Amino acid sequence: DAGVTQSPTHLIKTRGQQVTLRCSPISGHKSVSWYQQVLGQGPQFIFQYYEKEERGRGNFPDRFSARQFPNYSSELNVNALLLGDSALYLCASSFVWADTQYFGPGTRLTVL
Amino acid sequence: DQQVKQNSPSLSVQEGRISILNCDYTNSMFDYFLWYKKYPAEGPTFLISISSIKDKNEDGRFTVFLNKSAKHLSLHIVPSQPGDSAVYFCAASADDYKLSFGAGTTVTVRA
Repeated sequence: DAGVTQSPTHLIKTRGQQVTLRCSPISGHKSVSWYQQVLGQGPQFIFQYYEKEERGRGNFPDRFSARQFPNYSSELNVNALLLGDSALYLCASSFVWADTQYFGPGTRLTVL
Repeated sequence: DQQVKQNSPSLSVQEGRISILNCDYTNSMFDYFLWYKKYPAEGPTFLISISSIKDKNEDGRFTVFLNKSAKHLSLHIVPSQPGDSAVYFCAASADDYKLSFGAGTTVTVRA
């Protein structure tokens, strides 16, 4: 079975631009979570979605938004990019929201 | 604030010996704990978990110990193998299942 997939793998943007990252969960998984990992730190929770509803949000500004589609795939949007948004963005899926999360390979975002 | 701490940024161990990774947490609401392993250019891979109702969980070469009174958990890898060289993250969650991660420990297994 395919694991969690994310696209694109790498992305370079300039300050002020907007970016959309995509995630496809493991088949049968209904919950998707997003994390940001900056260099030298552990992943930080951004959002969790279950059955297309937002279940939780971490301590991130409103420039960050997400949604989950009927097929359980998800998008993370970041507006008005800042240099500090440069990070590895990880998507994780789980069968239900209260279950072990399995991670994708991540999208490396560089903001210049 | 950092609710999960891994105070050792790196660990070097000889092949065949035991690796012990430590993790401390501050949030008493945490009731589910996990260890993930991460290779460069890959996402974290789930290794093992433990709920707060247990104090030990074993899976093959990996054992996780939980000391709730000390708010401390550890991961034992026995015996260590070269393929175990990676970054290991400790994570914890309360009943909301939002994971809080430590900063990671880089394990190097020497031949």
